[in-house]
Amino acid sequence: DAGITQSPRHKVTETGTPVTLRCHQTENHRYMYWYRQDPGHGLRLIHYSYGVKDTDKGEVSDGYSVSRSKTEDFLLTLESATSSQTSVYFCAISESTNGGIQYFGAGTRLSVL
Amino acid sequence: EDKVVQSPLSLVVHEGDTVTLNCSYEVTNFRSLLWYKQEKKAPTFLFMLTSSGIEKKSGRLSSILDKKELFSILNITATQTGDSAVYLCAVGKGDSWGKLQFGAGTQVVVTP
Repeated sequence: DAGITQSPRHKVTETGTPVTLRCHQTENHRYMYWYRQDPGHGLRLIHYSYGVKDTDKGEVSDGYSVSRSKTEDFLLTLESATSSQTSVYFCAISESTNGGIQYFGAGTRLSVL
Repeated sequence: EDKVVQSPLSLVVHEGDTVTLNCSYEVTNFRSLLWYKQEKKAPTFLFMLTSSGIEKKSGRLSSILDKKELFSILNITATQTGDSAVYLCAVGKGDSWGKLQFGAGTQVVVTP
């Protein structure tokens, strides 16, 4: 998985609780992304980062926040989880020198009950 | 609004058949088109296409881009059960910090 570790791999939580997912890379790539994958929707971008402390919203950012305090770590936080956030979450990394190819972590399966 | 549309959404074939998957797009400032394979886990990179008419090949898989008609096809010849997966198409734009917009994917099932 190209030196990308996501944790946890599985999580079950209750509506209204905060949840943080972690993405850790050992490739020193500049760009990092969080996606969610739901049946019939492919991968949809939640947030992305183009450097330490530099982040921006993707197409489905409502209800999510991110932080990147180090090159290697990109955190995704659900401040108050809802059932609609039940999904599989993927982290990806990219470096501009490779033409924009993104490499993906193994994913986190999140269930919000 | 940018769009990436894959067809068909799913198909079932027998081992040995040839499969052709389609990806059409409408995006401003197109830079590249990428294909990924996903087998119940992380998507894995297959091809990146930036120029029209130049076929990329890897074993039994090949892909080509038509920038005039705004589509790409992914061909799989002599299919095997290990080709069963979801195939994802994604488009990168030139002004987007490396962001990709993905299609919904095509589910391919290869039966023995």
